[in-house]
Amino acid sequence: GIQVEQSPPDLILQEGANSTLRCNFSDSVNNLQWFHQNPWGQLINLFYIPSGTKQNGRLSATTVATERYSLLYISSSQTTDSGVYFCAAPRRGGTSYGKLTFGQGTILTVHP
Amino acid sequence: DAGVTQSPTHLIKTRGQQVTLRCSPKSGHDTVSWYQQALGQGPQFIFQYYEEEERQRGNFPDRFSGHQFPNYSSELNVNALLLGDSALYLCASSRANEQFFGPGTRLTVL
Repeated sequence: GIQVEQSPPDLILQEGANSTLRCNFSDSVNNLQWFHQNPWGQLINLFYIPSGTKQNGRLSATTVATERYSLLYISSSQTTDSGVYFCAAPRRGGTSYGKLTFGQGTILTVHP
Repeated sequence: DAGVTQSPTHLIKTRGQQVTLRCSPKSGHDTVSWYQQALGQGPQFIFQYYEEEERQRGNFPDRFSGHQFPNYSSELNVNALLLGDSALYLCASSRANEQFFGPGTRLTVL
């Protein structure tokens, strides 16, 4: 099946700093999602981004499907941005439709 | 518009027991997927239900079974619990490609 790798595994920032999280995937995908998992375990949808660029406030994401990677940008980070960030994708076609494969996550800690 | 809901929030069981977890999808969604998340790991796909049938299954033993009801809600059943089944169990619902997750059920097996 598809492999999803995220980097860096850990990231420590001071409040106000910018950061870029990367997600590489091993096969062509028909969608890609970014999530933020809060300390209580809830996965919060950030972006549904099969290709192109989207922005939502201080967050933006870019997926380059032909090169099999996606980037999540966080600008002017705040302490509430702390948590684990996951990317996830299903494999295009075959019998894997809808089955999301997750990366191992990036643990983000933002200090005041 | 209520999101995905799961019950119970927490559950403690002993080895060998059986457990049933429940999920109600987001309004308008017809597909429910279940995931297991061990501590420090990303969620792992268990199975997916659509039109009351299991459509896909991940690498989980037959001790893990499920059901989808006509109102699209779903149950996850785990028999003969093992210590290694301790995890956060997440339910996701979708209608097209984008999946939305519930708050999860944290299962502890003693």
